[in-house]
Amino acid sequence: SQTIHQWPATLVQPVGSPLSLECTVEGTSNPNLYWYRQAAGRGLQLLFYSVGIGQISSEVPQNLSASRPQDRQFILSSKKLLLSDSGFYLCAWRRGRISGNTIYFGEGSWLTVV
Amino acid sequence: DAKTTQPPSMDCAEGRAANLPCNHSTISGNEYVYWYRQIHSQGPQYIIHGLKNNETNEMASLIITEDRKSSTLILPHATLRDTAVYYCIVRVDTNAGKSTFGDGTTLTVKP
Repeated sequence: SQTIHQWPATLVQPVGSPLSLECTVEGTSNPNLYWYRQAAGRGLQLLFYSVGIGQISSEVPQNLSASRPQDRQFILSSKKLLLSDSGFYLCAWRRGRISGNTIYFGEGSWLTVV
Repeated sequence: DAKTTQPPSMDCAEGRAANLPCNHSTISGNEYVYWYRQIHSQGPQYIIHGLKNNETNEMASLIITEDRKSSTLILPHATLRDTAVYYCIVRVDTNAGKSTFGDGTTLTVKP
């Protein structure tokens, strides 16, 4: 069966510090990968998606970047965090090139920038 | 992707059916309707999806109107553990498979 892991689960970072959130998927190959952010009490905002190694698409301009160094690894980064980067970050995956399939989410990472 | 409209909140008595509506009046012919739910501080969980026909699985039923401009998610016997935010999204199944989540409906199941 397929599983998705992301870490760390929670972190508190000072303004201006770097960020690295990691996500890995097991049990599948060539998945589509996604990073979402959720502000408190709001819906999910798609930040980045990737359909293959080294292929990153950004949905919104921001202080963050994403990378996919391996087929099942997706990393969310920042060189200098802003207060507005605080939120709940979710990694997700789905099988690519197949219609009618769903997206599966990781357990999320709570980021508080202070 | 088509925009969806959901009521911000709903209550339901435990053991009764919960009917959650969703309007997607601008849906295109090749867009699927998906439902997810999110329990506080967890990642969203897939519930069900459909294109034209009504669908049922072990969790819920999905009723899509004939013109596809709205749908209803039905939880037949709501329990306290069904308290969550429910998201209705519509999307085309392109290779990218991007999904846009709105604010959803907060369902509160009461004893």
